[in-house]
Amino acid sequence: GAVVSQHPSRVICKSGTSVKIECRSLDFQATTMFWYRQFPKQSLMLMATSNEGSKATYEQGVEKDKFLINHASLTLSTLTVTSAHPEDSSFYICSARLQGGLSYNEQFFGPGTRLTVL
Amino acid sequence: AQSVTQLDSHVSVSEGTPVLLRCNYSSSYSPSLFWYVQHPNKGLQLLLKYTSAATLVKGINGFEAEFKKSETSFHLTKPSAHMSDAAEYFCVVSDRFKAAGNKLTFGGGTRVLVKP
Repeated sequence: GAVVSQHPSRVICKSGTSVKIECRSLDFQATTMFWYRQFPKQSLMLMATSNEGSKATYEQGVEKDKFLINHASLTLSTLTVTSAHPEDSSFYICSARLQGGLSYNEQFFGPGTRLTVL
Repeated sequence: AQSVTQLDSHVSVSEGTPVLLRCNYSSSYSPSLFWYVQHPNKGLQLLLKYTSAATLVKGINGFEAEFKKSETSFHLTKPSAHMSDAAEYFCVVSDRFKAAGNKLTFGGGTRVLVKP
């Protein structure tokens, strides 16, 4: 249980285009999902917290107009990288939080999406 | 505020020998602590978690970690390394109670190399 999927797994796009990444919780409902960014050989950095039915909460330094997050249902959050540039190339990972019980704050991670902007 | 320091960026061990990955944390509240493993170009897999129960936590694949509040440490160990253990390992802290926020803070990661 508690499986999270991401689509696509890899995407290559031209500079200036927009790219949408989907994150789905397959066997549970997630009112809260998280988007992370990981540069090569570095740790994960939280970009934003996605809340179902409300606006996302962005971390300091993350441009909300560039990284659009939509959490329209209890099983789907999307991250759209708008007007992508080569410096946006990165590994993007989403997670979903399992609420309740003794596992406060445990998050289940998707397999990641490798974005390359040419 | 919370933070995590992984004391070794790289660890190299021989197959069959013990593995020790060191992690120190700071947290304003009672912490939840996690160890995740990431294989190349893959997502994160949970190895084990501490959420206020037993201080010695056993995880998957023979890994275990001990929560030591006095030392603010949560070191990860495995008695005998396997070639498949070669990966990146992340120590992660979270404030346990929802009122304190539910963000995860990641350590910088430790890359494990296993020599035959």
